[in-house]
Parts: sequence; C-alpha cells; structure tokens
Amino acid sequence: ETAVFQTPNYHVTQVGNEVSFNCKQTLGHDTMYWYKQDSKKLLKIMFSYNNKQLIVNETVPRRFSPQSSDKAHLNLRIKSVEPEDSAVYLCASSLTGGLYEQYFGPGTRLTVL
Amino acid sequence: GDSVTQTEGLVTLTEGLPVMLNCTYQTIYSNPFLFWYVQHLNESPRLLLKSFTDNKRTEHQGFHATLHKSSSSFHLQKSSAQLSDSALYYCALSGTGGYKVVFGSGTRLLVSP
Repeated sequence: ETAVFQTPNYHVTQVGNEVSFNCKQTLGHDTMYWYKQDSKKLLKIMFSYNNKQLIVNETVPRRFSPQSSDKAHLNLRIKSVEPEDSAVYLCASSLTGGLYEQYFGPGTRLTVL
Repeated sequence: GDSVTQTEGLVTLTEGLPVMLNCTYQTIYSNPFLFWYVQHLNESPRLLLKSFTDNKRTEHQGFHATLHKSSSSFHLQKSSAQLSDSALYYCALSGTGGYKVVFGSGTRLLVSP
C-alpha cells in the first residue's frame, strides 16, 4: 500500500514554463526529501525537510524551490524549466532524519521539450 | 563530503550463481549508517537492508551484507541468484549531518536462466 503519494505521475512541458509537483506522506514521519533520478538512474538528493523546516539544500539551481505547509506535505516548484530538468523526481520520507529507512513515492516523470 | 562508490555498473549472472555487489564509502563521521536499496523496473527504490554495527552481518530476503569500517565497505551478497533479483541496487550512506543520504551510482543486476 502506497504511503507516499505524488502528483502528477507525468508532466510534459516546454522550456521556460513553470511546474509544480506535490508530495504527501501518511506515515506520520518527520522528515521528507526530494530526489532527482536522471536518465542514467543517478539518484541525487535535492532537499530534505524536518518538521517543515529546511535542513538540507544541495547545490541545485535557484529555479527549484521546495515548499512545506506541514510535516506531511512537501511540494516542489520549478520556475522556468530547462531541458536538463527532464528526470524523475522522487519524494521520500523517513521517521526522523537519514538514519531511518526512507519510503519513496512513485515519482513524477518530467519531460521538458 | 560524503561519497559512495559502486564500481560495477552492470552485473550479469546465471540463475543459481552467487551474487556480490561492491560498495565502498567515504565519510568523516565515525558512526555511519549504510543501506542497500533495490529498485525493480517501473518501481521506486525500497530498502533491502541496513547496518550501522561494525563487523556484524545483516540479512534480509536472502541477501546479506557486513559493514567493515576498517575498509569502509558494505558489499551485498547472496548465495544463489534468482531471476526475480534482476533490478537496480543502490548502496547509500547517512553520515555527517544525519539528514542527508548519499546514494551510489547504482549497480544493475541481470539474472538470466
């Protein structure tokens, strides 16, 4: 049973547009993450939040901005997408911090034309 | 910063042969947590096993791994490969900071009849 939910499943857009992805977890976890999985399947952390506070902000372009309204929700907005943003964006959650198992959502596949 | 190295991009095996996927890591943190995640086709990564205890074997679903801090290694092994083991395997590290998990580049395991 999926406990980390992501919408949309797929999104196709053109260069320069703005996109938003949503993530919700029903596990009662304190920590949530955004990862980018590229076409070579490299999995890189972008952001992590703990109790809706930003903890980790990796070296991602400024056009990426995470938003958290509460500890169960973590959204990702990309202003003015670029072709290199085409990837699968995976949301995950863990009990508290990276020492615990992470549960991943199904991912949002972004294609930038 | 922390890093994880998986030297094999692809491992191909015949069913019934033993599996060994290599993982080494670098961190200044003296008590790192190491993980193996598995990602089957069209699915998201899920935890296979984890460890933080030096020289203690951890087992799950027929796979096992032992964290060796002296050699900074956490190799994944299985005595007999099955067709259903075909998947992408990530080694991951949670070290410095606790809210950031670094993933290796992944090893694709293909098991043939």
